[in-house]
Order: sequence, then C-alpha cells, then structure tokens
Amino acid sequence: LAKTTQPISMDSYEGQEVNITCSHNNIATNDYITWYQQFPSQGPRFIIQGYKTKVTNEVASLFIPADRKSSTLSLPRVSLSDTAVYYCLVGDSLLMYSGGGADGLTFGKGTHLIIQP
Amino acid sequence: DGGITQSPKYLFRKEGQNVTLSCEQNLNHDAMYWYRQDPGQGLRLIYYSQIVNDFQKGDIAEGYSVSREKKESFPLTVTSAQKNPTAFYLCASSMQGAAGANVLTFGAGSRLTVL
Repeated sequence: LAKTTQPISMDSYEGQEVNITCSHNNIATNDYITWYQQFPSQGPRFIIQGYKTKVTNEVASLFIPADRKSSTLSLPRVSLSDTAVYYCLVGDSLLMYSGGGADGLTFGKGTHLIIQP
Repeated sequence: DGGITQSPKYLFRKEGQNVTLSCEQNLNHDAMYWYRQDPGQGLRLIYYSQIVNDFQKGDIAEGYSVSREKKESFPLTVTSAQKNPTAFYLCASSMQGAAGANVLTFGAGSRLTVL
C-alpha cells in the first residue's frame, strides 16, 4: 500500500493561493491520487482526483509531476471558510475489488490549513 | 436527495454495553465503510464491505462487528470488548467503477461517548 506524507499544518491569508504538497514515493502504476477536505465534526468531502499531469475542477487544481512521486493540491484565492483539514490518499479501487485489500482507503493525519483574515 | 444517513448523531453508553450505529445510503453504491476518528487524528478504517453479505476487516476491527444484509445498510456494533470506544464514527460509501481510486461519500458522523 502506498503511503503518503503531508505537512501537519499550514497558514495563509484570505485571497492567497495555497499549495499543499503530498509525497507518495512508493506510488504504484495503477494508483490514483485523491484529496478530501474535512471540517470539524463533519465527514470528509471529496475535492479532486487525478492520475497524472494536471486536473482542474471548480474547487481546486491537482498537479502531478511525471514521476508521480508527489502531488500538489492548489486552492485559488482562499477564504476563511477554506480552513479545514486536507487529506491526500493514494490507491487503486480495482485492487480492492480483486481481493487486494483496502487499497487507497488510508487517511493519515492530513494537513490542517488555517486561513487568516 | 441522495446521501448517507447516520444515526444517532450523539450517543452515550455505559461501560460494558453494546451499541449499534446505523448507516443507510440511497446512492446505490456497492461498497460501504466504517471509520473511527479520535481528536486531532486522521480516520482509521474499521470494516468495509464491497457487496451484500460480505465484509472485510480494516485496520482496527477488534471490538467491532458489522453486517451487510442489504445494499443500503451497513450497521456497526461497538461491543463491550472495545476498550476505548469514545470516538467520532464515520460511515462512507462508494461506487464500484472503472479504473481509479475509490471516491468516498461520507455521512455526518456519530459521536459516541462512554460514561
């Protein structure tokens, strides 16, 4: 199972772009990278998923270099409401369905992002 | 609206009692999951189920039991064998699809406190 490493916490200010990097040196060929956001006393919410290069949606962008050993979640023009914990997960759902275990289902401690006015 | 419903939201239990947390989804998802979260910690996987009548242990299954008799339902029982049951419990589901990683949809959580 691929493991991930993220900074424990980050600070930024309203209106800034925030980049959170996740390291996953042992990522497997079929693994995808998924990011979630969690507010206190709520369940995590899916933000974005990617395999390589760049993925963008209405909330964030995900940058993945060619070697795929890391990924960067980019949040444009953050606001106070973006203060949350962000989790990076790596895994392959097909592995789970083929009896390979709970791949891609491990949440680490995440990155606690604090946005200040 | 489709989603996952967990109940109760708050639950208090005396030591030595079993308690069952409910999780129901109307997303037509195949897989369902239970996680535990302690203060300041990430989520730890307790059990997961890919299909009806089948489930697998996660990282911290001891002291817990589950059943999956219906696609929509995945109740979790916290037994008296669980030594530190006070925690925030999260249920999630995902659809079996093509290549990719599981994209989990979570419920609002159930907070269990042992008195």
